[in-house]
Parts: sequence; C-alpha cells; structure tokens
Amino acid sequence: DAGVTQSPTHLIKTRGQQVTLRCSPKSGHDTVSWYQQALGQGPQFIFQYYEEEERQRGNFPDRFSGHQFPNYSSELNVNALLLGDSALYLCASSLGTGYGKLFFGSGTQLSVL
Amino acid sequence: DAKTTQPPSMDCAEGRAANLPCNHSTISGNEYVYWYRQIHSQGPQYIIHGLKNNETNEMASLIITEDRKSSTLILPHATLRDTAVYYCIVRVGNTNAGKSTFGDGTTLTVKP
Repeated sequence: DAGVTQSPTHLIKTRGQQVTLRCSPKSGHDTVSWYQQALGQGPQFIFQYYEEEERQRGNFPDRFSGHQFPNYSSELNVNALLLGDSALYLCASSLGTGYGKLFFGSGTQLSVL
Repeated sequence: DAKTTQPPSMDCAEGRAANLPCNHSTISGNEYVYWYRQIHSQGPQYIIHGLKNNETNEMASLIITEDRKSSTLILPHATLRDTAVYYCIVRVGNTNAGKSTFGDGTTLTVKP
C-alpha cells in the first residue's frame, strides 16, 4: 500500500518564476492538505482540498493556488516566486470524515535563487 | 483551533521513558489532542491522538489531564531513533473541517 508520494523531491527556481508541485494521497484517502515548512520551524497550513474544492485556507497570498483531481491527487502552484518561498513543501492526506489523522509525504524542497 | 505550548527542547537517556508535555489551556470540548513527530528531512509522522481518556498504542501513551488543559506524550523506552521534533496539535476531530496547526514543537534528543 503506497503512502503519500510527492514529486519532485528537489527543485531550484529563480525569482519571478512559477512552480507546480504534485501529490498523490495514500490509497483510500480523499482529502489533501498542503503545508509550507521553513527551516527550523513547524509546518504552516496553506490549504486543504476535498471533493476537488478548496475547503480551508491558511494565511497565504493568492500566489499560492491548488487543484485536486477526480483521482484525489493534487497540485500546488506558486506564481511569481520570491526568495522567501524557499522551503520544504509537505502534502498530507486524510479521510474526509476521519479523525484528522494526517499521513505526510516526504516533501518537495524548493529553493528560490 | 486552540494554541499549544511546548518546551523547545528536551533530552532523554536511551532506554528511559521520555515524557513530553503540552499545554493547551484554551482547548474546546470538541477538540482532540494529536501528536506527530518529524525526523530530520522527513514528513511528520502521526503518533497518537485522544479526546479525554488516556490512550496507548504500539508507539506511545497519551495522558490527558482531567480538565483537558494539558497532556503528556510518553515514549516508554526511548531509543536513539526516537530523536526527532515532536508536535502537539489540537483540532476539531471527526470532520475534515478542522485543520491541523503546527507550532514549533519540542526537539527531543535521546542520548546513549
């Protein structure tokens, strides 16, 4: 049973560029959440997708957008990259009506130069 | 979601019990306590959760005070592989409407 998979594992971009990160949830899960983790800090909630709609959003600008596909996989898009967007981006999946038990992927390390 | 407070760091001797405290004095009646840990360069891993009763699984035990304002995660026999950042979270349970808000956690270092 595959867990949460994220791609790519590492990415280097320059300021102003756009990036797309991908996530496949754990088998049987229908809810995907995205987190940003800066070095030395805890993960910060970006948004959550359920039934192909954004259900909740954290304190992130509109440059951060996402999408969920019918197979429950998800993408995170970041436009107009800033140096401060450099971080580990984590995807977590869960059952929509479960107890909030999250399963995390290993993340995508994004470096903005 | 309620805010949690954890000590920034703790040490524990290998083979001894590690007791990690968490304060969540503003927890609401429908909020659960969750614990995760994050080993360097990996995503957080779920450990255990509870509402008001003490819970135990193969990884750890969770002790929640009667007033639910604080809890303790217990790793009964810590090993070097338990060295990680431990996060205590409170969130509404049993629905996808809740979101998990992570703080900075407690860095547990298990020493030989």
